[in-house]
Amino acid sequence: QMQLVQSGPEVKKPGTSVKVSCKASGFTFTSSAVQWVRQARGQRLEWIGWIVVGSGNTNYAQKFQERVTITRDMSTSTAYMELSSLRSEDTAVYYCAADREYLTGGNWFDPWGQGTLVTVSS
Amino acid sequence: DIQMTQSPSSLSASVGDRVTITCRASQSISSYLNWYQQKPGKAPKLLIYAASSLQSGVPSRFSGSGSGTDFTLTISSLQPEDFATYYCQQSYSTLQFTFGPGTKVDIK
Repeated sequence: QMQLVQSGPEVKKPGTSVKVSCKASGFTFTSSAVQWVRQARGQRLEWIGWIVVGSGNTNYAQKFQERVTITRDMSTSTAYMELSSLRSEDTAVYYCAADREYLTGGNWFDPWGQGTLVTVSS
Repeated sequence: DIQMTQSPSSLSASVGDRVTITCRASQSISSYLNWYQQKPGKAPKLLIYAASSLQSGVPSRFSGSGSGTDFTLTISSLQPEDFATYYCQQSYSTLQFTFGPGTKVDIK
């Protein structure tokens, strides 16, 4: 079945970077886009950015523009999200999600990865 | 940026109740509106896409309607497994996708 499996929890110090991976299976990775969303405890879902897997084109939310890099490795069907200059407010669960209808302008997110908890603490 | 609001922020309902959740966009988004269900400690799950299309495998008691700026998610007969938080998401602006603040549905 379609599945996204993310890397494990991370604990980082302020000012450092974190890189979260998201491995896809069960669908054509190269024909899809991958979205990244985060959720702080008790808060709403917050969109970070996305990558079109085939072309490698990316688009980032303005809030994260300076600090985020989303990449992909088509040979392993894996997408990555790296966030730099971490601060305590970045503590959240980070999700990846497949966007398999982006070419038709759909941009609905399905399926989602299980989430990766990133804790930023000194 | 397109802002999304939802009402109510929370509601209490009983099994078998009809539940309606409203989502409003700050500008017209045509039918570029999706609904997700999230249970505690779990990833969101797609329920409805393009305002009214039911995702494969989602029970038919879920339905969506609306276009422009006003949208609704309806659960025709609430089941025990439906107690969760529901989020709307606009996909009109591909430069900045945004989610609503969520509506928590709990047991009365």
